[in-house]
Amino acid sequence: QLHLQESGPGQVKPWETLSLTCTVSGGSISSGDYYWDWIRQSPGQGLEWIGNVHHSGDTYYTASFKSRVTMSIDTSRGHFSLKMSSVTAADTAVYYCARHPARDNWFDHWGQGTPVTVSS
Amino acid sequence: DIQMFQSPASLSPFVGDRVTMTCRASQSIDTSVNWFQFKTGKVPKLVVYGASSLQGEVPSRFRGSGYGTDFTLTITNVQPEDIATYYCQQGYRTPFTFGQGTKLEI
Repeated sequence: QLHLQESGPGQVKPWETLSLTCTVSGGSISSGDYYWDWIRQSPGQGLEWIGNVHHSGDTYYTASFKSRVTMSIDTSRGHFSLKMSSVTAADTAVYYCARHPARDNWFDHWGQGTPVTVSS
Repeated sequence: DIQMFQSPASLSPFVGDRVTMTCRASQSIDTSVNWFQFKTGKVPKLVVYGASSLQGEVPSRFRGSGYGTDFTLTITNVQPEDIATYYCQQGYRTPFTFGQGTKLEI
């Protein structure tokens, strides 16, 4: 059974960089059949798709986040990561990682989500 | 970006009722709508993909339908375990976008 688990600090200071990791178990992160995505949920903006990374290293970032987001993947360790720079209170949210079949446009497995608060 | 509008914001059925929630897209998206179930403290779950296909072991009391701009998720014989917030998502064009959710309270 595929399992995704987010990890990272629960609190980040304004203007610092948020770093999150998603560890994948019960399946291979090296398959070219999937993208690995980040989605967040905040009271103000609801669910927002941030972007994804492929095992090849290819990435896609939505326009809203493109200037301050970097995603990477470490297939040897079975995890992928999100870095978001210059965070503000508006980035306070629950961050989810998810799997996205490459031929389809839905998210078929999710992590439980990790809450992140931006506060000094 | 394609906007997704869900209604109603909440529903309060009795156990055994049939409920229908709707999702409207700001432009035609064929059948590129997916529905997710979010329960507090649980992993979000894909319920319906491609407007009408049930994912995995989702009970047959769930049914998705629609085409173009108007889509529905119907739950017949609602059960207590169906308490959740349901979100639609369009996969027609990037950026993928979600509706604001329908909260089911029994």
